[in-house]
Amino acid sequence: NAGVMQNPRHLVRRRGQEARLRCSPMKGHSHVYWYRQLPEEGLKFMVYLQKENIIDESGMPKERFSAEFPKEGPSILRIQQVVRGDSAAYFCASSPPPGSSNTEAFFGQGTRLTVV
Amino acid sequence: EDQVTQSPEALRLQEGESSSLNCSYTVSGLRGLFWYRQDPGKGPEFLFTLYSAGEEKEKERLKATLTKKESFLHITAPKPEDSATYLCAVQEVGTSGTYKYIFGTGTRLKVLA
Repeated sequence: NAGVMQNPRHLVRRRGQEARLRCSPMKGHSHVYWYRQLPEEGLKFMVYLQKENIIDESGMPKERFSAEFPKEGPSILRIQQVVRGDSAAYFCASSPPPGSSNTEAFFGQGTRLTVV
Repeated sequence: EDQVTQSPEALRLQEGESSSLNCSYTVSGLRGLFWYRQDPGKGPEFLFTLYSAGEEKEKERLKATLTKKESFLHITAPKPEDSATYLCAVQEVGTSGTYKYIFGTGTRLKVLA
């Protein structure tokens, strides 16, 4: 019973490169969330998606960041032209659809992005 | 603006010294309140869900309670392995029926042997 799977666990990118972070939700979960965490800080909401649809992207920076959750395959968080300030841990969580009896979200182990 | 505030930010306890962590919230359309544990370098691990005031949940040395404005995570006779950051989150229901989870900044707990 695989949980939320994120890869890669660690990613190093040079300034100006692109970073692609992947997240496969738990089986039976149709909603995916992306959060960003800086050292000694809490989880900051970025975006909330379901298959082929962005539901809420109010926490996403307006430029360079994008997210998708295609019909087939994992959800992708894409950061273009990375800068040092993008260095952080990025966590993905998944939950059942609205109306389910259980509503808790389960998290992956995160991708730690380092921009050099 | 919807907010989740946790206190204290950090807590050091001797092994066996019971205490409580607080999570206060102001959110419209609350659907649920969640507690997570996060170890360094790892993702948050789900602990409890609370849906209504007066509800309580227990797991080993942990007990979570909920009122209309706050939740407590009580730790009874903690052990060093309980050392972690404890995160509280509320599930906010949007006007279109969608929902997202809003997290507090956590309480860093250190239990000394």
